[in-house]
Amino acid sequence: SQKIEQNSEALNIQEGKTATLTCNYTNYSPAYLQWYRQDPGRGPVFLLLIRENEKEKRKERLKVTFDTTLKQSLFHITASQPADSATYLCALGGDTNAGKSTFGDGTTLTVKP
Amino acid sequence: GAVVSQHPSWVICKSGTSVKIECRSLDFQATTMFWYRQFPKQSLMLMATSNEGSKATYEQGVEKDKFLINHASLTLSTLTVTSAHPEDSSFYICSARVRTGFWEQYFGPGTRLTVT
Repeated sequence: SQKIEQNSEALNIQEGKTATLTCNYTNYSPAYLQWYRQDPGRGPVFLLLIRENEKEKRKERLKVTFDTTLKQSLFHITASQPADSATYLCALGGDTNAGKSTFGDGTTLTVKP
Repeated sequence: GAVVSQHPSWVICKSGTSVKIECRSLDFQATTMFWYRQFPKQSLMLMATSNEGSKATYEQGVEKDKFLINHASLTLSTLTVTSAHPEDSSFYICSARVRTGFWEQYFGPGTRLTVT
């Protein structure tokens, strides 16, 4: 069955450092992968989408990589700030499943001042 | 663009009553919406796929008679929790899919349901 694993439930880093979150998957060949941010008591907010034929994508301080050979995506936040503290979810999607995405359990990032 | 709203944002109801949650796409039409529930510190669990003008598709283990879904228009899907019980207390989130080359999902802010 399809499985998505996100590294550790929680990640604590110091302000200004780069946060790196990992998303590994098995038994899946996604056409694309998405990263979302979720704050407590709120719905997820879409951040980035990377397609299977893309190696890297950037948006401001965010960078996502996608390695379909390793079946892994890395999500980086550079120059992290306390406001970046949230839970980050990765989700896999593909046209074959009519737009449904399968979500990982999330990694809670805490950036300390 | 691609804004999804939910109403209400939180609701408290008594056991045995029914509660309706609305999910609206505000600036686009959504032929398909998804309903999720989320327990504290857990990820999103897909409950059902709501298709405009047809019956919803429920995930395995989700009682379709308990969680009634209606997608009456291209901008509105509703989830009704019937005969609610305390174990139905959860955070319910809807999303709408948008095709921009590939499918993307945009989520509503969620509805916190507490059944007493």
